[in-house]
Amino acid sequence: DADVTQTPRNRITKTGKRIMLECSQTKGHDRMYWYRQDPGLGLRLIYYSFDVKDINKGEISDGYSVSRQAQAKFSLSLESAIPNQTALYFCATSGKGLAGERTDTQYFGPGTRLTVL
Amino acid sequence: AQKITQTQPGMFVQEKEAVTLDCTYDTSDPSYGLFWYKQPSSGEMIFLIYQGSYDQQNATEGRYSLNFQKARKSANLVISASQLGDSAMYFCAMRERTNAGNMLTFGGGTRLMVKP
Repeated sequence: DADVTQTPRNRITKTGKRIMLECSQTKGHDRMYWYRQDPGLGLRLIYYSFDVKDINKGEISDGYSVSRQAQAKFSLSLESAIPNQTALYFCATSGKGLAGERTDTQYFGPGTRLTVL
Repeated sequence: AQKITQTQPGMFVQEKEAVTLDCTYDTSDPSYGLFWYKQPSSGEMIFLIYQGSYDQQNATEGRYSLNFQKARKSANLVISASQLGDSAMYFCAMRERTNAGNMLTFGGGTRLMVKP
């Protein structure tokens, strides 16, 4: 089973609709992230959370909100979707290594392809 | 200003040959980390290799090695003995310390195409 899962994997919606993308992880990591990737480009950070009570805006948070329901769950919402939010969305996690040391390697989910018409 | 630069939007390599993907970075933080990720056509992001700024030796992971030249601020990925399955997008990323914690910044990527 995948360590980081995202649902849905694909979604087509209309302008103005509210959309929620969900992320779950079984890696035991405390830190979770949401990124978006536009065609031909790298990843840009939307929001991140270093623990359940910690939520921070990333580079491009406008038009998005998040909720960290538990250590293993981090959801991204588009309150009123618009066409330029059409993108590939990734959830990622990072945590501690086997010896308890903090590592910064981020492990990604499979992505959610969102199309806003 | 661009913090991570990947100057090769696309590259071809012959199967079984080695290939180098370029990455330069810009930071004033003495403590940083450099990562390479692979994104095949299926879309997932796969972690390949990591190099810390204080690491004395270049990182290696199987057929992947990182040519780390600190003074030149470059962290090129070398793939030896290319395979058809290496065809993918490759992203370089840098971890920097910020007020909010350690964050990753990604480059624009290089598309590698392996020819049979």
